[in-house]
Amino acid sequence: SSELTQDPAVSVALGQTVRITCQGDSLREYYASWYQQKPGQAPVLVIYDKNKRPSGIPDRFSGSSSGNTASLTITGAQAEDEADYYCNSRGSGTYHRVFGGGTTLTVL
Amino acid sequence: QVQLQQWGAGLLKPSETLSLTCAVYGRSFSDYYWSWIRQSPGKGLEWIGEINHSGSANYNPSLKSRVTISVDTSRNQLSLRLSSVTAADAALYYCASLYCGDGSCYFDSWGQGTLVTVSS
Repeated sequence: SSELTQDPAVSVALGQTVRITCQGDSLREYYASWYQQKPGQAPVLVIYDKNKRPSGIPDRFSGSSSGNTASLTITGAQAEDEADYYCNSRGSGTYHRVFGGGTTLTVL
Repeated sequence: QVQLQQWGAGLLKPSETLSLTCAVYGRSFSDYYWSWIRQSPGKGLEWIGEINHSGSANYNPSLKSRVTISVDTSRNQLSLRLSSVTAADAALYYCASLYCGDGSCYFDSWGQGTLVTVSS
């Protein structure tokens, strides 16, 4: 079982705002990073250091964290945002890395 | 621009050893950790392990007894060996660069992935 828990699936209407969450004890100490994966492609980093975006990631992507929950918010979701999203952080009490189970985002 | 190019045998028989290599271009090998991550068909991402330029490695406890990650700094390459493979090890394997700084770590570049099939 994953130490980071994500909802398996989330949907959002085109142009609306959606929040994808990631829960785990380690998130009280360590930031989560977020990855977008489209079918047939390698994952792409979209958020790191809680709320920083790599070059080329649209500013509609943002991150936040509170307690044991990290969140990825897409403000004004676009059709091209339809993908799987994974959070990652350090495992609780270890030096190991852990991925959440992933959330499939559908843009309606 | 950083590029991670990976290769290795894609078809293995049960009990054989998986061997993959990842070459890093356009990035200082010593400034990052280097990781292997896999994804079983239709499933999520699983961290296998990581290594730094000096060879200090850290592995997923569930795979630790079978996995070895090594680096060749003269060639800017990292390698993965996973022994005694079974059908459960069939997956798409990625190498990735892991940047750690200011108390935070993240995978900022990924290889293209290598599909490994295990079949007798």
